[in-house]
Amino acid sequence: AQKITQTQPGMFVQEKEAVTLDCTYDTSDPSYGLFWYKQPSSGEMIFLIYQGSYDQQNATEGRYSLNFQKARKSANLVISASQLGDSAMYFCAMREGVYQGAQKLVFGQGTRLTINP
Amino acid sequence: NAGVTQTPKFQVLKTGQSMTLQCAQDMNHNSMYWYRQDPGMGLRLIYYSASEGTTDKGEVPNGYNVSRLNKREFSLRLESAAPSQTSVYFCASSETGLLSYEQYFGPGTRLTVT
Repeated sequence: AQKITQTQPGMFVQEKEAVTLDCTYDTSDPSYGLFWYKQPSSGEMIFLIYQGSYDQQNATEGRYSLNFQKARKSANLVISASQLGDSAMYFCAMREGVYQGAQKLVFGQGTRLTINP
Repeated sequence: NAGVTQTPKFQVLKTGQSMTLQCAQDMNHNSMYWYRQDPGMGLRLIYYSASEGTTDKGEVPNGYNVSRLNKREFSLRLESAAPSQTSVYFCASSETGLLSYEQYFGPGTRLTVT
């Protein structure tokens, strides 16, 4: 069974609009973490935001915020005021376990976001 | 700081050939990781190393071996390459301590096995 599900293979948004990228996860571990990464066409992986399962507030980093709904097991990424440079693949990932400090991540299949001028 | 570096950037192998992908980080991180990314898919963990001298299997370890040479370097070896190993390989590293620490990724190695 998929542990991380990103149901939107592609999204098209007008510049300056807000966009929500969906992510649902499946785990029975009460302690987990959720990450969002951006992968531009150049291929590198860029960390955007982190949410821990015990965090009381939704995480925010600049124009990025994470809409964390624990009961629904969803961790959607919200990008406000989208820019042309936001066009990229976006991956949701979940920390599956920690072994002596190393974090085992499971990634979703990604959502390709295209910002139109 | 260079961050995480990987060599080579591109490689073409014939089925059955062997090769080693090199990874180094200059951030003094304890933990290092190898992932593969197949077309249209997310990353999958191959092997990881929690600290110098330790390595452990991830989700898709078959056909690979790893060596944590020292704190800086973590190599991935394909002993007998197969077309199914055609992929982009990413190395990553992270600090230990806070669970919120992100993994820093290298630029990737694009490997084609014919």
